[in-house]
Amino acid sequence: GENVEQHPSTLSVQEGDSAVIKCTYSDSASNYFPWYKQELGKGPQLIIDIRSNVGEKKDQRIAVTLNKTAKHFSLHITETQPEDSAVYFCAASENTGNQFYFGTGTSLTVIP
Amino acid sequence: DAGVIQSPRHEVTEMGQEVTLRCKPISGHDYLFWYRQTMMRGLELLIYFNNNVPIDDSGMPEDRFSAKMPNASFSTLKIQPSEPRDSAVYFCASSSNRFYGYTFGSGTRLTVV
Repeated sequence: GENVEQHPSTLSVQEGDSAVIKCTYSDSASNYFPWYKQELGKGPQLIIDIRSNVGEKKDQRIAVTLNKTAKHFSLHITETQPEDSAVYFCAASENTGNQFYFGTGTSLTVIP
Repeated sequence: DAGVIQSPRHEVTEMGQEVTLRCKPISGHDYLFWYRQTMMRGLELLIYFNNNVPIDDSGMPEDRFSAKMPNASFSTLKIQPSEPRDSAVYFCASSSNRFYGYTFGSGTRLTVV
């Protein structure tokens, strides 16, 4: 099955700086890569996703990049704000499979 | 829409007792998923339904766990008998597609003592 690894497990940045979270996957058939943000006491919320026919996708301060050859994808948050503090999960799936495979999460703290 | 609604938010029970977790998916979503989240194992898919029919329950840890979806607006996850190692946060999610656009509920934090 798929194995998704996520790094780092914790990340602290100053407000206004950028944050980068990286994930690798093992199954070359994986073709859909969502990112979820989980705030304390809440369920994960989809914030951005990318499909394997695209190398990069942006949504305001958030961007995701995908390198299919190297089997890794990254989340980039620019101009970080305290409300970006949360746990972020990457995931991978392929559309003939049965489920997502989630990374282990990155706890991001943005220091005001 | 109120989103995916789970109840209770917190449940504390004694080992050996039956526990029932409840979920109301978003109206119109025909996929429903039950996940378990722990520090050690992260997010694990337990089971998912499509049009109220269980499709894949390979993630259900053992026979003590069962899930039902009697209609499109309600699902339950039952643990009988409960054990301390079942302590976790259980999430329900729904979607109109098997992979895209999941909406998670706020979860049920289960503590078995």
